[in-house]
Amino acid sequence: DMVLTQSPGSLSLSPGESATLSCRAGQSVISDYLAWYQQKPGQTPRLLIYGVSSRATGIPDRFSGSVSGTDFTLTISRLEPEDSAVYFCHQYGSSATFGGGTKVEIK
Amino acid sequence: QGQLVESGGGVVQSGGSLRLSCAASGFTFSSFGMHWVRQAPGKGLVWVAFIWHHGGEKEYADSVKGRFTISRDNSKNTLYLEMDNLRAEDTAVYYCATSLSSSWPPEDFWGPGTSVTVSS
Repeated sequence: DMVLTQSPGSLSLSPGESATLSCRAGQSVISDYLAWYQQKPGQTPRLLIYGVSSRATGIPDRFSGSVSGTDFTLTISRLEPEDSAVYFCHQYGSSATFGGGTKVEIK
Repeated sequence: QGQLVESGGGVVQSGGSLRLSCAASGFTFSSFGMHWVRQAPGKGLVWVAFIWHHGGEKEYADSVKGRFTISRDNSKNTLYLEMDNLRAEDTAVYYCATSLSSSWPPEDFWGPGTSVTVSS
């Protein structure tokens, strides 16, 4: 099974700052099938990014995805209090895998 | 808008069995690959199993291989997860979800989840 390793485990930032979340794949992700989800307490995951860098419907352009080799990045610009959540990366090209998650706290 | 609703969760003793169901509506269920994903209390998302839209191919996480069986009935728009020989570490909320690779752009639907508790 492909392993996705997310870092950092958590980060605490102020409104207006930018957050950089990392997701390292243990091998190449087939067809760039890498997505990012946001999950708030008591809610189901919400799709933010699919295909490495495409924003899902209704997702603001403050959220962006990129890749360098097998290192995937979710960048959240101009952080807002509502961005407090846990973020998971997800590969769906070979079976499926989720990363362990990064908790983002807005001070 | 697509909707998924899981059912069948509950409390079961270690070594017991449960069958989860996931009823789909509002989209063409038979065109979508489907996942089961679980989340233990306070923990992250863990992929459990996947079935292709036609039901002919199935994949499992190593942790459940040989104990869990995923299936579907496209005539009833329903996905299933048969869970046998349950262990305490299977305790989690179980979600069904559409596969992002089934459509472009992806249609991402999740159910609200059903809770499974395995008591030892």
